[in-house]
Amino acid sequence: EAQVTQNPRYLITVTGKKLTVTCSQNMNHEYMSWYRQDPGLGLRQIYYSMNVEVTDKGDVPEGYKVSRKEKRNFPLILESPSPNQTSLYFCASSSRGWDTQYFGPGTRLTVL
Amino acid sequence: KQEVTQIPAALSVPEGENLVLNCSFTDSAIYNLQWFRQDPGKGLTSLLLIQSSQREQTSGRLNASLDKSSGRSTLYIAASQPGDSATYLCAVSYKSGGYQKVTFGTGTKLQVIP
Repeated sequence: EAQVTQNPRYLITVTGKKLTVTCSQNMNHEYMSWYRQDPGLGLRQIYYSMNVEVTDKGDVPEGYKVSRKEKRNFPLILESPSPNQTSLYFCASSSRGWDTQYFGPGTRLTVL
Repeated sequence: KQEVTQIPAALSVPEGENLVLNCSFTDSAIYNLQWFRQDPGKGLTSLLLIQSSQREQTSGRLNASLDKSSGRSTLYIAASQPGDSATYLCAVSYKSGGYQKVTFGTGTKLQVIP
């Protein structure tokens, strides 16, 4: 089954404790991206990757890092999480560029 | 900077009614526009993708139109059903810094009453 998976689905952590949210797709897609969704603000792009060689910042990259060492994986890294990073996070992928997007189920992160 | 607006923020209609959801964007230099559906607690599902060179796309009871010059798109839902209740989001992709970025609207929450 073609899908985008994210882990964990729910996470409660404390300020400053490094964490990684994994994202994996099995569709051989070139383009992958991360978003956060907050009430009243909608979805905002954090980082995106055109392919394994190209990664760039979205609209809200501060406090986040990403890595695209393999085509199928695109982990989101929070080196020192803060309470303002409490949010619902989505990973998405598409075959090339920002084409028809396939979204993961989301990761709800709470930073205390 | 690209801004995307969706009006209304919420909409409640009786079952069977035809309805139109609106999406407007400020910069007409887009690559494409995509409509999504989001159910509570779930991820997003792509409904329709319209390339910048296209005027409309259709899928079943859904029809999306694009008017780049005026910065507008509409999603038409025919013969609405309770199962159509969800939040509908539009998003535009555009060129930025040599690559492709995307901006989402804040969505229209639709309730179809049986």
